Amino acid sequence: GESVGLHLPTLSVQEGDNSIINCAYSNSASDYFIWYKQESGKGPQFIIDIRSNMDKRQGQRVTVLLNKTVKHLSLQIAATQPGDSAVYFCAETLTTSGTYKYIFGTGTRLKVLA
Amino acid sequence: NAGVTQTPKFQVLKTGQSMTLQCAQDMNHNSMYWYRQDPGMGLRLIYYSASEGTTDKGEVPNGYNVSRLNKREFSLRLESAAPSQTSVYFCASSAYRGRNEQYFGPGTRLTVT
Repeated sequence: GESVGLHLPTLSVQEGDNSIINCAYSNSASDYFIWYKQESGKGPQFIIDIRSNMDKRQGQRVTVLLNKTVKHLSLQIAATQPGDSAVYFCAETLTTSGTYKYIFGTGTRLKVLA
Repeated sequence: NAGVTQTPKFQVLKTGQSMTLQCAQDMNHNSMYWYRQDPGMGLRLIYYSASEGTTDKGEVPNGYNVSRLNKREFSLRLESAAPSQTSVYFCASSAYRGRNEQYFGPGTRLTVT
């Protein structure tokens, strides 16, 4: 069932191509970021994270880039597969006086074309 | 490990009815969370429990109450459901509250008529 916004931006890529999903985060003081994947009817699933003292982090087939100057985060998926079809959203963590605020983006739908 | 489990998966309520959403995690995590997800919006935090024995309001707590029953279980109660509470509810847990990943349950789709 549809559990995320009906009018999300959509990125369509050919199977085997690389995908780049972008996220503009809201607060320049945010110091920790996560990319989540959400398949239809399921809960969000952790993909990769990055701290603000880094500008790049790589995982298996995924890379996250952080540009603090323009408050931009991107997720690169190499050799996109049909199983990558899902909604992807970023989350930022803002730490203020020992308290934490989590801010989640609305997401981008990735469609993998066979 | 089952991770984070939630019950029920679907629920339909009439306005004014009450219900409790159940959540349990088997990862020995200290922190647990309840979120709601609405179309066109990011996840919004309703309540959280940083550790066993503590609960705190999140961004949208009105109309909800929570109970951290023990380290494993964190329930969300709607005392008098309203149509504005129609949403998908996710429970999540993390090792601690802070800069670490959260593990989410499969969600409860709630409709209030």
